[in-house]
Parts: sequence; structure tokens; C-alpha cells
Amino acid sequence: SAVISQKPSRDICQRGTSLTIQCQVDSQVTMMFWYRQQPGQSLTLIATANQGSEATYESGFVIDKFPISRPNLTFSTLTVSNMSPEDSSIYLCSVVKTGSYEQYFGPGTRLTVT
Amino acid sequence: RKEVEQDPGPFNVPEGATVAFNCTYSNSASQSFFWYRQDCRKEPKLLMSVYSSGNEDGRFTAQLNRASQYISLLIRDSKLSDSATYLCVVWDRGNTGKLIFGQGTTLQVKP
Repeated sequence: SAVISQKPSRDICQRGTSLTIQCQVDSQVTMMFWYRQQPGQSLTLIATANQGSEATYESGFVIDKFPISRPNLTFSTLTVSNMSPEDSSIYLCSVVKTGSYEQYFGPGTRLTVT
Repeated sequence: RKEVEQDPGPFNVPEGATVAFNCTYSNSASQSFFWYRQDCRKEPKLLMSVYSSGNEDGRFTAQLNRASQYISLLIRDSKLSDSATYLCVVWDRGNTGKLIFGQGTTLQVKP
């Protein structure tokens, strides 16, 4: 498996502000993803974080709202911009290790927007 | 039709029972299949991959039927610690490795 850390683990933010979530992996990985899990729901893929290029966003998610960076093979950030209460959710980083096709998840960031 | 469908449950079973979860997927080109376990307020954890020949890991058995586009997970001799949500997950490698999650099946094992 892979050891994945996320910061912060939780936060309470005011409407209209932005929060950047960090994801760090203990080894080089081929693919990194960002998911959202709203209360009582399953996971929804936001985007694939591509190293050195723009992220690939899923339908319903846009770069202006969820800018993503991936400067190297072990680190990525997701920013939730201009937050509203509808953005309250758990945000999870996920990785696929080099040489594998199994996907592992970070512990998640629990975001509450008031 | 959802891409991956599961019965959400909840399944309430006594300790020691055998319980089976089923899952169907809509994309016949899907290539890899997994069961994940998610405990309350925790991240999903990979339970097992599902192979075409079927595979077993202790009390857990996973099976795949490609013709029917159907995946199953059997848990024997249920323990209290098996209580969790079980997510059926499908991966279409041709689609940049995107995982498609079922809504999850909740299992509650009671003493």
C-alpha cells in the first residue's frame, strides 16, 4: 500500500473564502486523484492531478472552483475556492502506486462551510 | 442506469452469519474490479481485488461474472468488526484509470 497524509484533517471556513488541502505520499506514484464525499453519499471524482500540467476535471467540476497543483510525483494540492455551504464535504486524495493498479486513499479532509 | 449499482442495505446479521453482497456494472469494457471497506468517518480501504477466476482471502470470497456484469462478496462467520460500508468499485483502465464507485452496502453485525 502507500502512506498518504492530508492537511488539514478538518477545517471550518466562512462562506466566500478559499481553503487549500495538501496531499503527500511516501513514495512515487503514477496517478493522483481528488474525490469528494458528501454526507451519506458515495465518492465522486473531482479530477485527476497530472504532474507538471493542468488537471483533468470531471463533468461538473471546473478549474476556477477547484484549482489543483501537482509539482512532483509525491505531492498535490486541491483548493476549494469561494466556498459556499454546499462545498461542505470530505475531500479525499487518492493514489495509484507505480507498477500497480490498486488505488489507495488518504485520511480525508473534513470541510464545513458556514 | 447507474454505472455501478449496489443494494444499499442495511444488512443486519448476527455474529457468525454468512452474508453476501451483490453489485452490477453497466460498462462491459470495464477491466478491473475491487471491493473497498469504509468505516464510519474514515477513508475507504481496499479490501480485495476481484479476479475472473474468483478469489478468497480468509473469510472473504469475491467472484466476478463478466457475462452478467455482476460482482459478489461473500463474508463467512461474520464478526462484529465486519460492521462497515462495503463499496463495489469498477475501474476502466481505458478511461485514465478512473474508479467508479457504487453507493455502498451497509453491514451491521450484531452480537
